[in-house]
Amino acid sequence: GAGVSQSPSNKVTEKGKDVELRCDPISGHTALYWYRQSLGQGLEFLIYFQGNSAPDKSGLPSDRFSAERTGGSVSTLTIQRTQQEDSAVYLCASSLVRVGGRNTIYFGEGSWLTVV
Amino acid sequence: QKEVEQDPGPLSVPEGAIVSLNCTYSNSAFQYFMWYRQYSRKGPELLMYTYSSGNKEDGRFTAQVDKSSKYISLFIRDSQPSDSATYLCAMSNNYGQNFVFGPGTRLSVLP
Repeated sequence: GAGVSQSPSNKVTEKGKDVELRCDPISGHTALYWYRQSLGQGLEFLIYFQGNSAPDKSGLPSDRFSAERTGGSVSTLTIQRTQQEDSAVYLCASSLVRVGGRNTIYFGEGSWLTVV
Repeated sequence: QKEVEQDPGPLSVPEGAIVSLNCTYSNSAFQYFMWYRQYSRKGPELLMYTYSSGNKEDGRFTAQVDKSSKYISLFIRDSQPSDSATYLCAMSNNYGQNFVFGPGTRLSVLP
């Protein structure tokens, strides 16, 4: 697609339920990122995928959070047993990583999660 | 000290004013510098991209990088109400893998 696509755009879930958020990156982009942004806050890095390398999971806040990327393209972020503090917008971004070249990341519109 | 510092604002200016948004950073490995604009309830959109030190102009926007001082700026001339948004600075190392974002500055341009 022309841009990074995320779904669902809005999700309201009950505390304790599991949720899955999907990201379809820009075609050809090898790097994929998940960030979290709470109301009025900056971007919090969650996880990074690059090609076939092991993902950088250093930003995941707890073991309730996991993500996978299938076939080097679409990614799913899963939050198990959701808590109210998980309420935030989850942003996916992708990038074409080139050594010595222009490397910028492009964001989707986000998945707005509300845990009630 | 945080890796990237940015005045969170909010910053309010009258329409037509020149706006200066700034970030400082501590990691000398950063080579690529970006500014993103984020409207309310939208994802960040890439506004400006610069490589290493120098200036880059695009319409009403000018991005400035001073690597010796570890300081980057975004100038907006003839600001418009449509410029009202949160502006995030971002930077990465030479391999474009370690993107670090500032917390963002909220700007309001009043008609």
